[in-house]
Amino acid sequence: EAQVTQNPRYLITVTGKKLTVTCSQNMNHEYMSWYRQDPGLGLRQIYYSMNVEVTDKGDVPEGYKVSRKEKRNFPLILESPSPNQTSLYFCASSLRYRGGRQETQYFGPGTRLLVL
Amino acid sequence: KNEVEQSPQNLTAQEGEFITINCSYSVGISALHWLQQHPGGGIVSLFMLSSGKKKHGRLIATINIQEKHSSLHITASHPRDSAVYICAADPYNTDKLIFGTGTRLQVFP
Repeated sequence: EAQVTQNPRYLITVTGKKLTVTCSQNMNHEYMSWYRQDPGLGLRQIYYSMNVEVTDKGDVPEGYKVSRKEKRNFPLILESPSPNQTSLYFCASSLRYRGGRQETQYFGPGTRLLVL
Repeated sequence: KNEVEQSPQNLTAQEGEFITINCSYSVGISALHWLQQHPGGGIVSLFMLSSGKKKHGRLIATINIQEKHSSLHITASHPRDSAVYICAADPYNTDKLIFGTGTRLQVFP
């Protein structure tokens, strides 16, 4: 079954404690992306990756890191989480070639993060 | 002004009504996406459009490239259609989607 998995689904942590949210897809997609969703603001892109070892900042990258060492995995790293990073996070993947259009996106189930 | 605007922000309907959600954008695009997010939070891609019209069951999506406008229609609405509907523009000149803030639809029996 084609899917994007994220872990953990729910996480409560404290300010400053490093955390990683994993994302994995089994569709051999080139394009992967992380979004955060906040009430009234909609989906905002944090980082995206066009392929292995190719990552770019989205609209709200501050306080986040990503890596793309393998095509299927795209972890999101919060080195020193702060309360303003409390949000609902989605990972997504799709077919996309640089300069081409983005095909149908597949979203993970979401990770609800609370930073105290 | 946001580059992608959706209207209305909130919509309530009685079961069986015809629903229209609008999306206007101000950038040149290669495609426009419609997404659905149910109250549980999961996001599903409904349509990807670059021209014309697409239909899937009771859902119909149209796009007018010249007018920079897309609509999502739901025929014979049902309470299970209650969700947030999000449009996202895929601009020519970037590798990032631009999202609207969503339309919250509630369909009552």
